[in-house]
Amino acid sequence: AQSVTQPDIHITVSEGASLELRCNYSYGATPYLFWYVQSPGQGLQLLLKYFSGDTLVQGIKGFEAEFKRSQSSFNLRKPSVHWSDAAEYFCAGANSNSGYALNFGKGTSLLVTP
Amino acid sequence: DAGVIQSPRHEVTEMGQEVTLRCKPISGHDYLFWYRQTMMRGLELLIYFNNNVPIDDSGMPEDRFSAKMPNASFSTLKIQPSEPRDSAVYFCASSLGGVLGEKLFFGSGTQLSVL
Repeated sequence: AQSVTQPDIHITVSEGASLELRCNYSYGATPYLFWYVQSPGQGLQLLLKYFSGDTLVQGIKGFEAEFKRSQSSFNLRKPSVHWSDAAEYFCAGANSNSGYALNFGKGTSLLVTP
Repeated sequence: DAGVIQSPRHEVTEMGQEVTLRCKPISGHDYLFWYRQTMMRGLELLIYFNNNVPIDDSGMPEDRFSAKMPNASFSTLKIQPSEPRDSAVYFCASSLGGVLGEKLFFGSGTQLSVL
């Protein structure tokens, strides 16, 4: 089945520390990959997306992600986390075989401590 | 633009009742998606429309669920009869060009509780 998997349900980091959220994908054809963030009581907001080209993708709010085909991964990173980054983060994928429907991982909840 | 507008924001109903969720996409967007979010199953795509036409409804859980898009500015998701296991947050999202076009814009969701 074509899908994305987020291995970590919860992540806790100290403010100012670096962050990496993991995402693994399982797609036969070239996937289109996304990271979304959801604040409490809100809908999802796109952080960044990868379609092709440069495997290091820059997004909003200082986030970046790297597409690694050899590892089937698309991990999200931020060099220095701010308290306002505390939220739920979703990796999502799509490709032509899935009819371009966006499939989401189950999310990683980020807690930022002082 | 006000973004994707969903109503109601919260809905509490009793088992067996009909529930109708509403969505107004962003003007000019040609794709509309309905998602359901639960703790157990995460975000599931229920159905999506392109130019008001349903393209893929394979995610609709069963016949109790139906969705319509009578025009480009309005869509409904109906559950009849509702059951407690339908309790979830239902999100509507719209985009121009689908997932490979502009980004998806999500509404704030409808929190549905079926007692």
